[in-house]
Amino acid sequence: RKEVEQDPGPFNVPEGATVAFNCTYSNSASQSFFWYRQDCRKEPKLLMSVYSSGNEDGRFTAQLNRASQYISLLIRDSKLSDSATYLCVVIGGSQGNLIFGKGTKLSVKP
Amino acid sequence: DTGVSQDPRHKITKRGQNVTFRCDPISEHNRLYWYRQTLGQGPEFLTYFQNEAQLEKSRLLSDRFSAERPKGSFSTLEIQRTEQGDSAMYLCASSFLGDGLEAYGYTFGSGTRLTVV
Repeated sequence: RKEVEQDPGPFNVPEGATVAFNCTYSNSASQSFFWYRQDCRKEPKLLMSVYSSGNEDGRFTAQLNRASQYISLLIRDSKLSDSATYLCVVIGGSQGNLIFGKGTKLSVKP
Repeated sequence: DTGVSQDPRHKITKRGQNVTFRCDPISEHNRLYWYRQTLGQGPEFLTYFQNEAQLEKSRLLSDRFSAERPKGSFSTLEIQRTEQGDSAMYLCASSFLGDGLEAYGYTFGSGTRLTVV
């Protein structure tokens, strides 16, 4: 089983739609979780951290379910500029290296 | 120093040649990581340094790969006798590990795209 698994998509949605991405992780000892955004041929950039209580940043909401080892990202009122690949990321052990999922590609159409 | 710099941005090399990439991390960061990303995959961890010490190497890092961070500042990643399967984006990232063993400010460079022909 992969350490971090995501639905690769692609998700093709119209502008204004709400879209949700899911991710599962295998290491129950993982403590830190993130969503990264990666544009085509660019480096990954941190979108938001994910906390147990759930957190929101504008149109983006991230949630963590430790019991199910499940992380989600909800994007409301999607914009054309949200088109990118969204990477679910877990910090691996005590070394601090990031473990990435394959990413979910989102394409927002006019 | 506003970010992580990687050089070169692109490298095309013939199979069998050696290549070396450089990464300059954010100056206050004590940790430096190398990742490799191929098309359709997320970045995969290769190795990391705490200051000048290389503390972990992934199984992906074959004996043709070597990384150094001689003075705890910039790092180099060398690939010897390149193979077509080495074609990928090589990403460098840096962070600061605090006393609480939490890594802060994880920042990626723009990457070096290697094409082996």
